[in-house]
Amino acid sequence: NAGVTQTPKFQVLKTGQSMTLQCAQDMNHNSMYWYRQDPGMGLRLIYYSASEGTTDKGEVPNGYNVSRLNKREFSLRLESAAPSQTSVYFCASSFGTSGFDEQYFGPGTRLTVT
Amino acid sequence: LAKTTQPISMDSYEGQEVNITCSHNNIATNDYITWYQQFPSQGPRFIIQGYKTKVTNEVASLFIPADRKSSTLSLPRVSLSDTAVYYCLVEGRGGGNKLTFGTGTQLKVEL
Repeated sequence: NAGVTQTPKFQVLKTGQSMTLQCAQDMNHNSMYWYRQDPGMGLRLIYYSASEGTTDKGEVPNGYNVSRLNKREFSLRLESAAPSQTSVYFCASSFGTSGFDEQYFGPGTRLTVT
Repeated sequence: LAKTTQPISMDSYEGQEVNITCSHNNIATNDYITWYQQFPSQGPRFIIQGYKTKVTNEVASLFIPADRKSSTLSLPRVSLSDTAVYYCLVEGRGGGNKLTFGTGTQLKVEL
């Protein structure tokens, strides 16, 4: 099992450009999450999906959109990138639908917006 | 108001036992205590979870006193590879999907 995979690993964007971060899991998990981590900080939840077809906002959703394409895949889209969105983005998944449940994280995507 | 408070950093030497204490004065009845480990350039990894008393697995022990207002992660005989950031989280079963990470404790293990 690959676990949680993310593409791309690195990306540089200019202000105003758009892009989609891809995430997939092969553990038959129900819930998927997108976090961002800024230097020296903990992770902050952007969006999550408790099941296929549902998505909900987390702590910092502004400037992002998500799509739960199917049970395996959860994508994060930046429509008009801003320098404040420079960060490392982590996707995660869990079998259950509670923060109590163990979350499995991907390797991250390092995004720089100039 | 932060849900948890833990030291910003700790230093240790190989072979020593390391104890990282987390304060969570406002823990609710249905909250569990979970610890994650994060290496540089990697996503966090679940270490251990508990509700009360003591929990032990192959990598760590978690000690929770009766009042549950704090908890201690114990790493026996650390090695250089245990150098990482350790996050203490308090989350409730059925409390939704939000997992709240603080800034964590940077553990540095030296020879």
